[in-house]
Amino acid sequence: DAKTTQPPSMDCAEGRAANLPCNHSTISGNEYVYWYRQIHSQGPQYIIHGLKNNETNEMASLIITEDRKSSTLILPHATLRDTAVYYCIAIYAGGTSYGKLTFGQGTILTVHP
Amino acid sequence: DAGITQSPRYKITETGRQVTLMCHQTWSHSYMFWYRQDLGHGLRLIYYSAAADITDKGEVPDGYVVSRSKTENFPLTLESATRSQTSVYFCASSEGLTTDTQYFGPGTRLTVL
Repeated sequence: DAKTTQPPSMDCAEGRAANLPCNHSTISGNEYVYWYRQIHSQGPQYIIHGLKNNETNEMASLIITEDRKSSTLILPHATLRDTAVYYCIAIYAGGTSYGKLTFGQGTILTVHP
Repeated sequence: DAGITQSPRYKITETGRQVTLMCHQTWSHSYMFWYRQDLGHGLRLIYYSAAADITDKGEVPDGYVVSRSKTENFPLTLESATRSQTSVYFCASSEGLTTDTQYFGPGTRLTVL
């Protein structure tokens, strides 16, 4: 699985959009970009994933650059409850990673009132 | 309630005792996973299971035993607990293996004295 790089921390004002970047310059064509988050003392929570196209669901949007070397997770209207550690992961489809999720350091997003 | 649950949520035990952590999911997902999370190490896979009666080792299986007699349950047993097994344990499930989303339980915080 490709290595991903994220900023260690970001701040966002409540009600504003939070844009979390992720660099995955060595990603291969068969690797998906997944985002999970972990709110303090809770289990990790799936947010969204994508391969090439931009994706949107009820929680967030995922923008993947055309060359797939980076992506941005967008929380359109951040709330205090979105304060968490956000993890960007590249996962190889059909590989032998047996589903193991390798979380890096992630980005600590703090949403301020 | 639908979802994935873990019990107990908190457990304190002594070195040398046997401890079993329970995990139950209501989605009939084929795959289930046990991770431990420690500061500085992120999530590490202990064991996973592809179906009832099929289990396999992850990254850090030593000192742990699993079983899966029913699809919905995946207990993790520490046969003789050690202080190094003090950790937060997360159970997860998914429909598939590599790129399918994993859904995590709330975690069990285990302290071995």
